[in-house]
Amino acid sequence: DAGVIQSPRHEVTEMGQEVTLRCKPISGHNSLFWYRQTMMRGLELLIYFNNNVPIDDSGMPEDRFSAKMPNASFSTLKIQPSEPRDSAVYFCASSMTAANTEAFFGQGTRLTVV
Amino acid sequence: QKEVEQNSGPLSVPEGAIASLNCTYSDRGSQSFFWYRQYSGKSPELIMSIYSNGDKEDGRFTAQLNKASQYVSLLIRDSQPSDSATYLCAVHNAGNMLTFGGGTRLMVKP
Repeated sequence: DAGVIQSPRHEVTEMGQEVTLRCKPISGHNSLFWYRQTMMRGLELLIYFNNNVPIDDSGMPEDRFSAKMPNASFSTLKIQPSEPRDSAVYFCASSMTAANTEAFFGQGTRLTVV
Repeated sequence: QKEVEQNSGPLSVPEGAIASLNCTYSDRGSQSFFWYRQYSGKSPELIMSIYSNGDKEDGRFTAQLNKASQYVSLLIRDSQPSDSATYLCAVHNAGNMLTFGGGTRLMVKP
């Protein structure tokens, strides 16, 4: 099993540009989580999906952020327009179910907005 | 109050000693608890899961859960320099959200 796959690994963009982060969960996993990690705020849950349906997006910082999961094997996190304060490492994780099962992380995307 | 609290450390222990990492959580409806290890510049790696009160041992690692006290701990026996990392406590709350603490940085000195 290839594990959770995220792309790109690194992204540098200018303020105001649109950024799209991608995630392929582990095959057979029904739940997918998007996290953002910074030194100041640690690992924050942005949104999670169960069976491709967004269940809780209360962690999404503002309307500039949006996430989709069009099918069981693909999810995107989009930031439009990007701002320097969005600079962070964004992780995707998946688990077999939403409740009480172990979640496995991708390698993350390091986003720098200049 | 944060949902999952950890002492940020650093916790420094000599090689061969027992490292004790602690975590408290606020949601009494939480049912499952996890410890992740994160090396600098890497992604979190799951090392232990625990679902019921008591101890769970896996090699040099022991997770302890006390739901009445809303407390989870991780013991690392015979600590090695390679154990130096940040340890993250994670909790599945009643809403099925997997929430992380801020992490404890562990330093094992040779």
